[in-house]
Amino acid sequence: DVKVTQSSRYLVKRTGEKVFLECVQDMDHENMFWYRQDPGLGLRLIYFSYDVKMKEKGDIPEGYSVSREKKERFSLILESASTNQTSMYLCASSPLWTGASSQLEQYFGPGTRLTVT
Amino acid sequence: QKEVEQNSGPLSVPEGAIASLNCTYSDRGSQSFFWYRQYSGKSPELIMFIYSNGDKEDGRFTAQLNKASQYVSLLIRDSQPSDSATYLCALEGGSYIPTFGRGTSLIVHP
Repeated sequence: DVKVTQSSRYLVKRTGEKVFLECVQDMDHENMFWYRQDPGLGLRLIYFSYDVKMKEKGDIPEGYSVSREKKERFSLILESASTNQTSMYLCASSPLWTGASSQLEQYFGPGTRLTVT
Repeated sequence: QKEVEQNSGPLSVPEGAIASLNCTYSDRGSQSFFWYRQYSGKSPELIMFIYSNGDKEDGRFTAQLNKASQYVSLLIRDSQPSDSATYLCALEGGSYIPTFGRGTSLIVHP
């Protein structure tokens, strides 16, 4: 059974703190993604990675960074948390595109609801 | 910028009816189209994908793709209250960066 896990379901941090969100997948997927989801705005891609130590900016990378030191683990870092980063953060993974599959065959983790006060 | 448009709803249908969810997109280069279901408080889960024009059926679900008109639809036959969720349309263009619509809320009432 495929599985994507995230380190916390709920997190409360103070403005200015450095925040680490961890994501681990056990499916040996090459691709991993970080999204945030806000009411009325849908899913927005922050960063993605298609290989270890590789990363690509998504639509809203400002204020975030990522790290992928191992294939199964993709971390999202908020360098200095701000209140406008209060959101639901979703991690996803997908297999390498082969022509028979797609990077959009994504498997999502349960999400981390982050509140920055 | 690729855009994916969905009516936010809610779309309300009676139990047993056909629910029709629609999605239009702006990028003619889009190749792959996906439907995700998201229950309240949960993360999205993939339910169907379609690459070619026409219909693709999987149980009570049918995805329809019309690339010339740039729309993709999801039909749910014999709708059940357990189908009540938000349905996200997603597409992938040549850059392999996914784009999601904002979702349509479906309510199936007994």
